[in-house]
Amino acid sequence: ELKVEQNPLFLSMQEGKNYTIYCNYSTTSDRLYWYRQDPGKSLESLFVLLSNGAVKQEGRLMASLDTKARLSTLHITAAVHDLSATYFCAVDMFPRLTFGEGTQLTVNP
Amino acid sequence: EAEVAQSPRYKITEKSQAVAFWCDPISGHATLYWYRQILGQGPELLVQFQDESVVDDSQLPKDRFSAERLKGVDSTLKIQPAELGDSAMYLCASSLDAWTSGRLSQETQYFGPGTRLLVL
Repeated sequence: ELKVEQNPLFLSMQEGKNYTIYCNYSTTSDRLYWYRQDPGKSLESLFVLLSNGAVKQEGRLMASLDTKARLSTLHITAAVHDLSATYFCAVDMFPRLTFGEGTQLTVNP
Repeated sequence: EAEVAQSPRYKITEKSQAVAFWCDPISGHATLYWYRQILGQGPELLVQFQDESVVDDSQLPKDRFSAERLKGVDSTLKIQPAELGDSAMYLCASSLDAWTSGRLSQETQYFGPGTRLLVL
């Protein structure tokens, strides 16, 4: 069964703190995406990770991929309120992209 | 910057009525996807087109849902008759294609603004 699990599903954190969102998946894949979704809006592409050990960084967000462990992480550094959103990982599990349930992040002042 | 266009943005209908959604992908993107996203969940693929051909519609409820992409560009998703459980966000996405390790794989999918459907 194709499964993508994110942890945690809900995350409330203070501005300035660091935290990591985890994405585990059930079958072999070497392509993983992270998306951001604001309430009532569509999905915005953040990162695409294409190989084992891939690391991408944009601002306060850093994503990594370990294909052997079937695990990706999204690390948040010194969170700010503007990062409040729902974050989805999506794994290329041929023939389709399978999304996780999403992690709803709230950054409090 | 090129974007995926969708219309309408919002649709309210009564159950048993027919509804239709339209999507225009980014120019040059051969692959087009329709997803359904129920509130609080991740998107779930309904149908995938490669040009005008259906590649994957295994998760499309074919008794009431239909999709077409006649000229390989824009696409229409129809629900007839609509049911209460169809209330959701319907997202269209498109991507370029690439051959990787002997199989066709999709590059990053770019999503449109979505159509929020409410069935009363």
